[in-house]
Amino acid sequence: QTVVTQETSMTVSPGGTVTLTCASSTGAVTSLHYANWFQQKPGQAPRALISSTSHRQSWTPARFSGSLLGGKAALTLSGVQLEDEADYYCLLYYGGAQHYVFGSGTRVTVL
Amino acid sequence: GQLVQSGAEVKTPGSSVKVSCKASGGTFSSYAFNWVRQAPGQGLEWMGGIIPVSGTANYAQSFQGRVTITADESTTTAYMELSSLRSDDTAVYYCAREVVGGTPGAFAFWGQGTMVTVSS
Repeated sequence: QTVVTQETSMTVSPGGTVTLTCASSTGAVTSLHYANWFQQKPGQAPRALISSTSHRQSWTPARFSGSLLGGKAALTLSGVQLEDEADYYCLLYYGGAQHYVFGSGTRVTVL
Repeated sequence: GQLVQSGAEVKTPGSSVKVSCKASGGTFSSYAFNWVRQAPGQGLEWMGGIIPVSGTANYAQSFQGRVTITADESTTTAYMELSSLRSDDTAVYYCAREVVGGTPGAFAFWGQGTMVTVSS
């Protein structure tokens, strides 16, 4: 069973920068995993932020950016705002089985 | 686009539940519908998805044999049925839409979620 691992929690100061990562138990994450990133706030449905590793949704602020970093997918938040406090999940695509697997999620605290 | 799910359910262990997801806006046949669940205080878990135009459904291994995902193009509604319910199936169940032939996993639109409680 494939496991996708993220940091459990990260703390960042307002205006600061934080990078979240997403690792696959099957090996390096590549562009073929089409990494997606979602933000979820308490009591709300997830909201798509990034698709295909680095493409922002039309509503995603420019301070969110996606990339591949050291064999992992990464989400960088620059110029963090209080409203960015949330849980963040990556989603990887495994084309061979046409399956998706969510990461374990990272709670970002802004203080 | 909008996805509206059916209301909360309370079920007993061993029974089944069927959750619906009514889609509006856009062309139903252009989309695939995925189901994602979230147990209380836990993370997101992909259960499976369906491409209505082909009827092709894929399921996560952990749900194989217990989940059935279907879609009705005439009512633009997707369904998720989970059987042999256990207490650890208590969760919020979401439907999420992606474009067929588009970027995999780009779940741009989500339903509001349906709480399913399994309790004796």
